[in-house]
Amino acid sequence: SQQGEEDPQALSIQEGENATMNCSYKTSINNLQWYRQNSGRGLVHLILIRSNEREKHSGRLRVTLDTSKKSSSLLITASRAADTASYFCATDGSFGNEKLTFGTGTRLTIIP
Amino acid sequence: DSGVTQTPKHLITATGQRVTLRCSPRSGDLSVYWYQQSLDQGLQFLIHYYNGEERAKGNILERFSAQQFPDLHSELNLSSLELGDSALYFCASSLADRLNYGYTFGSGTRLTVV
Repeated sequence: SQQGEEDPQALSIQEGENATMNCSYKTSINNLQWYRQNSGRGLVHLILIRSNEREKHSGRLRVTLDTSKKSSSLLITASRAADTASYFCATDGSFGNEKLTFGTGTRLTIIP
Repeated sequence: DSGVTQTPKHLITATGQRVTLRCSPRSGDLSVYWYQQSLDQGLQFLIHYYNGEERAKGNILERFSAQQFPDLHSELNLSSLELGDSALYFCASSLADRLNYGYTFGSGTRLTVV
């Protein structure tokens, strides 16, 4: 079963615009992570945010976490064609369970 | 190259057959995780090994089994294959037993059962 649900399922924007994806999850967590997957390829870890953090930045990525709403958002600023991919949030358990549960993913398409 | 090596990249086999997927984790990583990705089920956790020991099981069928060897590479064995087993199988590795780090994924094995 999926722990996280991403919203929207698919998103198309013009190159240079910002892209925002949301993730909701069901149970308490120790941390939440975002991954990118290019078509048919392995997932690439983007950023990890701990349950006691509210916001984190990495280059053009900004992640927020609201544990009271059990939700997170990933913002990609100044999008590029190379950002076209599927993006997944992943959560562990509240005790730092040893496996990640992935959401359903958002398919992002950047239009040149 | 992520440092996690999966072989083979592609596998086509018939129903009822048995296959073995292999994973070599990134150097220094002790944890290996197996995931199945299909269009209808998304990414499903199968099993986790840490330093040779099974640590957690997810939605892994009884027809599937795995192990992690002393050199830390892992194998996922799929038997009595069915059409529905067609999917991408990913291996990921991580440094720590407790989950405070991200996973490093391999490029996957695409299994097609015909």
